[in-house]
Amino acid sequence: GAGVSQSPSNKVTEKGKDVELRCDPISGHTALYWYRQSLGQGLEFLIYFQGNSAPDKSGLPSDRFSAERTGGSVSTLTIQRTQQEDSAVYLCASSPGTSGVGTQYFGPGTRLLVL
Amino acid sequence: GQNIDQPTEMTATEGAIVQINCTYQTSGFNGLFWYQQHAGEAPTFLSYNVLDGLEEKGRFSSFLSRSKGYSYLLLKELQMKDSASYLCAVPFSGGYNKLIFGAGTRLAVHP
Repeated sequence: GAGVSQSPSNKVTEKGKDVELRCDPISGHTALYWYRQSLGQGLEFLIYFQGNSAPDKSGLPSDRFSAERTGGSVSTLTIQRTQQEDSAVYLCASSPGTSGVGTQYFGPGTRLLVL
Repeated sequence: GQNIDQPTEMTATEGAIVQINCTYQTSGFNGLFWYQQHAGEAPTFLSYNVLDGLEEKGRFSSFLSRSKGYSYLLLKELQMKDSASYLCAVPFSGGYNKLIFGAGTRLAVHP
């Protein structure tokens, strides 16, 4: 597609359930990022994938959060045993380059509400 | 550590000029980004400054002073559609492609 796409756009779940959020980056982009944005807050870095390298997971808030990227393209962010404080917008971004600083292009986000 | 500060909210009048400031602290500097985010939408790229000075792009300009750890976004001829949050971001030290974002400045443009 022309841009980064994410699904679902909205997700409501009950506390304790697992959720999976999907991101399709821009075709050809080697770098993929996940961020979290709580209401009225800035974006919080979660995880970064670059090509076939081991992902940078330094931003994941707990071991309930995990992510994978299959075939260097689509990525899935999984939150296990969701808590109410996980409610936020989860944004995915991709960028083309492997060196230096690259402009990140964001998807529309998944709005997660944990009841 | 790294830190970014920007005002929480600003208001301005249609047709006017507004300056949104951002101050940052980082141990290694690899440029500064400005993003625009309309309510309920994804952030979109506005500008990237790595050298000191003013870069103009249509109605929007971005300024950087590395020695002062300071940047601003200047919006001219404001339009109602410019009502949005403006996010300042810098790459993590040593991690060129991870961005640390400020909390954003929510700009309201009124007639």
